[in-house]
Amino acid sequence: GENVEQHPSTLSVQEGDSAVIKCTYSDSASNYFPWYKQELGKRPQLIIDIRSNVGEKKDQRIAVTLNKTAKHFSLHITETQPEDSAVYFCAARGNQFYFGTGTSLTVIP
Amino acid sequence: GAVVSQHPSWVICKSGTSVKIECRSLDFQATTMFWYRQFPKQSLMLMATSNEGSKATYEQGVEKDKFLINHASLTLSTLTVTSAHPEDSSFYICSQPAKGQETQYFGPGTRLLVL
Repeated sequence: GENVEQHPSTLSVQEGDSAVIKCTYSDSASNYFPWYKQELGKRPQLIIDIRSNVGEKKDQRIAVTLNKTAKHFSLHITETQPEDSAVYFCAARGNQFYFGTGTSLTVIP
Repeated sequence: GAVVSQHPSWVICKSGTSVKIECRSLDFQATTMFWYRQFPKQSLMLMATSNEGSKATYEQGVEKDKFLINHASLTLSTLTVTSAHPEDSSFYICSQPAKGQETQYFGPGTRLLVL
């Protein structure tokens, strides 16, 4: 089956700096890669996604890049704000979703 | 996106009792629902896939006799934790695959505490 690894597990940045979270996957059949933001005690919320036929996607301060050959994809958050503080999960979908282990992001005001 | 509701949002029960969690799709029919469990500071772990009108598919290591899933209608899937024990205390989240898309929409989750 698929194996999704996510790094780092925790990340602290100063407000205004950029944050980068990286994930790798093992199953070359995976073709959809969403990123979720989860605040404490709440449901995961989809923030951006990318399909395997695209190398990069951007939505305002959030961007995702995908390297299919190397089987890794990354989340980039620019101009971070305190409200970006949360746990972020990557996922890869082949025949089902496989989630990364999560990154706890803290943005320091 | 789709709206998925869950009930109850939290429950405290005594060890040995059974707890039923409902997951409802509010704006379109769901032939499939996913049930996840999330322990504190950990990722979401898929427990089972619920299929309307047929048996659920359980992930390896998940006891189907302990976690009973029923998906009797296109808008409701239920997860019953039978004979709950303290180690079953967790955050249980259902999700519905988006119609015609790859993504999924999560319910708000149910926090279970077994004393």
